[in-house]
Formats: sequence, C-alpha cells, structure tokens
Amino acid sequence: DQQVKQNSPSLSVQEGRISILNCDYTNSMFDYFLWYKKYPAEGPTFLISISSIKDKNEDGRFTVFLNKSAKHLSLHIVPSQPGDSAVYFCERSQGNLIFGKGTKLSVKP
Amino acid sequence: NAGVTQTPKFQVLKTGQSMTLQCAQDMNHEYMSWYRQDPGMGLRLIHYSVGAGITDQGEVPNGYNVSRSTTEDFPLRLLSAAPSQTSVYFCASSSTSGGNEQFFGPGTRLTVL
Repeated sequence: DQQVKQNSPSLSVQEGRISILNCDYTNSMFDYFLWYKKYPAEGPTFLISISSIKDKNEDGRFTVFLNKSAKHLSLHIVPSQPGDSAVYFCERSQGNLIFGKGTKLSVKP
Repeated sequence: NAGVTQTPKFQVLKTGQSMTLQCAQDMNHEYMSWYRQDPGMGLRLIHYSVGAGITDQGEVPNGYNVSRSTTEDFPLRLLSAAPSQTSVYFCASSSTSGGNEQFFGPGTRLTVL
C-alpha cells in the first residue's frame, strides 16, 4: 500500500515559469508533510514543510498547499530556475516517516 | 558540526559477504533512520531508531540488522549480502520523529556481485 504517492515521475518547465509538484496521500493521520530536494550523488536536503493544521506555507520562491479534503498537497516554485533541477520528494511525518517515489524536475534555460 | 557522516562512500561486495555501513551524527538527535534508494522506488525506510537502545523495522528490513548503543551512531549491518541489496543507502537523523526535518548523510553506493 503506497501511502504517499507522487504520480508524476518527471516534469519539465521553462526557466521563469511556475513548477507545480504534486503529492497524494491515503492516511489522514499525520503531523506534517515535508518536501526535500535531491541532487545526484548527494543526500536529500529539506526544503519546506506544512503542518496538518495549516493549508499553506510559503518560503521565498517555494509555497506548499495542503488540501485535506482531497488528501493532496502541492509544491509551487515561482519563478523556476535552472538550479531547481533536482528530484523532489514529499514525506509524511507521523510516527515513522514515509516518502513518495519522487518527481524529477528539469528547468530549461 | 559535521552533521551526518557515512562511511564508506562506495563498496563492492560478493554475494554472501557481510559488512557494516557506518553512520554518525553530532547534532544530538534522538531519531535516526536508514533508507535505500533504488531507481523508480524513491526512498524506502529500512530501520529506524527513536533513541539509544531502541530500534524498529521500516518498510524493507529483511537482510539488514541495526543497533543503537549510543545517540551518535547507528550502524547498518548486512549479514549475507545479496545482489538485490545493490542500492544507494542513506542515513538520516532528526530531533524528533514528527515534524522536524531530517538531515541526510551523503550516501553509500553499494554493489553486490
């Protein structure tokens, strides 16, 4: 049972435009969702999180939206930059920690 | 602070050999975990620990053992390596198991022939 789903394995966006990465979940019990960014040959690094009691969290170019009724969250990157090209993972935090399979974002100059 | 360190960076084993992947953190984090990353499979939790002396299984624990004798160290042992264990292994730590970001090590790339 895949509790955290990232259904798009890849996404390609033009520099300066918006990137939207999506994550769906099945279990309504969680404290936080977190987003991580991973470059090749490096460990993931934390990007932004959202608490279960909020519906939006913003940090600079990055905004995460949470829709609890749809069990869906999304990460918006505006404007996208070539350095944003990486694999993005969403993680559910409640007890042990469950990751989605990741979405590879390519931002083209 | 060195953060989370992992050794070795690369390792090649033959089927049936055993080895230990080392992980250490200097942030006094209670929570530590091991993941493996395979193409198309994301990060899958192998084992985790919420404090010294306490460990539990994750999603894919078979073939791996862990122990947590100190807060700082969380080694992962492969008792009898199999080709299916060829993967990239990441260790991570955080101050609590819920809500706080995990800090990841640089990874160990393991190949089992």
